[in-house]
Amino acid sequence: NAGVTQTPKFRVLKTGQSMTLLCAQDMNHEYMYWYRQDPGMGLRLIHYSVGEGTTAKGEVPDGYNVSRLKKQNFLLGLESAAPSQTSVYFCASKAEETQYFGPGTRLLVL
Amino acid sequence: QQQVKQSPQSLIVQKGGISIINCAYENTAFDYFPWYQQFPGKGPALLIAIRPDVSEKKEGRFTISFNKSAKQFSLHIMDSQPGDSATYFCALSFFNKFYFGSGTKLNVKP
Repeated sequence: NAGVTQTPKFRVLKTGQSMTLLCAQDMNHEYMYWYRQDPGMGLRLIHYSVGEGTTAKGEVPDGYNVSRLKKQNFLLGLESAAPSQTSVYFCASKAEETQYFGPGTRLLVL
Repeated sequence: QQQVKQSPQSLIVQKGGISIINCAYENTAFDYFPWYQQFPGKGPALLIAIRPDVSEKKEGRFTISFNKSAKQFSLHIMDSQPGDSATYFCALSFFNKFYFGSGTKLNVKP
């Protein structure tokens, strides 16, 4: 039982490049979330999903897109990366009220 | 607009002392108040949580105190240990969306 896994662990992008972050969970949870964590700002919700095929916007959705084609996977896409998207990205899945977080992806946009 | 304000930003406590972290909010619609613990390089993990119909919840050395009328809640860590050194986040939840405080970095001196 791996819990929540995230791929990749670290990535460097140039401004304007695109990339997809993958989150996978093996706990059969319906709810999944993408957050970004920046110093002094806690975690901010980017997008979330309440089940396969559904997505919804969070606090800071601009510049990101998501897809939940399979229940176990939640993808976060950056179509045209900007330096302001330099952050640590965390994925989480939720059972009842408890969120289970992945180890994070550190993204640097130059 | 920040939904929850967390203080202090950092905290140094001697081993065996009491660590106290506070959070305040405005929106009374929130119905779940968790605290998360995060170690460097890891994702946050649920520590303890409370619902607004309860004024206090204790789990081992960790206690949440909840003041509904003042719209404040706090985390108390009794007999603080060096292993408690981490960043702590309060959070609020409503309709499956979570809002996090800015975090408190706790350092417990041996």
